[in-house]
Amino acid sequence: AQTVTQSQPEMSVQEAETVTLSCTYDTSESDYYLFWYKQPPSRQMILVIRQEAYKQQNATENRFSVNFQKAAKSFSLKISDSQLGDAAMYFCAYRTPSGGGADGLTFGKGTHLIIQP
Amino acid sequence: EAGVAQSPRYKIIEKRQSVAFWCNPISGHATLYWYQQILGQGPKLLIQFQNNGVVDDSQLPKDRFSAERLKGVDSTLKIQPAKLEDSAVYLCASSPSRSGNTIYFGEGSWLTVV
Repeated sequence: AQTVTQSQPEMSVQEAETVTLSCTYDTSESDYYLFWYKQPPSRQMILVIRQEAYKQQNATENRFSVNFQKAAKSFSLKISDSQLGDAAMYFCAYRTPSGGGADGLTFGKGTHLIIQP
Repeated sequence: EAGVAQSPRYKIIEKRQSVAFWCNPISGHATLYWYQQILGQGPKLLIQFQNNGVVDDSQLPKDRFSAERLKGVDSTLKIQPAKLEDSAVYLCASSPSRSGNTIYFGEGSWLTVV
């Protein structure tokens, strides 16, 4: 079974600075998808960024980018120019491609990101 | 485009009572998921539907939890009888197909069992 590990329960960063959230995963699959979701206190999961394992290029979405190291099974999220609205829980998630079986997301335990004004 | 709709948003019940949560996925999304998120943890998949069929319910506590997706559109998750440890947020999510497409989440239904 796949597992996702987020080793940082909490991170704090000054507004406008850069922060990196770590994620490692374990899988025997060669083709899969990785995601970072943001969860504010309202509890709705909001997609931040996604990465296809077959793509070597790291995904980027505005101030959010990832460092995907497939051999190391590492998938970190970098947030540049941190804003107060970035404060939330961040979850790393893994998904296998459909193949006749379950393909729901497997989540890590999350990292609580605090933005210091 | 309307998002994933869930109701009720909040529910408080006593242990051994029953509760039902409803979910309406994004229009056209064939795949529907129910997740349970206990405070301080990541969401855990309970059940996955493809249209009106169950793809995976291996983590669903079947002695007390049940779910259905009649007609392959909206879905209901039921808990009977509830236990204290069922206190959690129940998140419904949907996806266009069983591929690498993004999974979209609703706002969740908060359950407190007292």
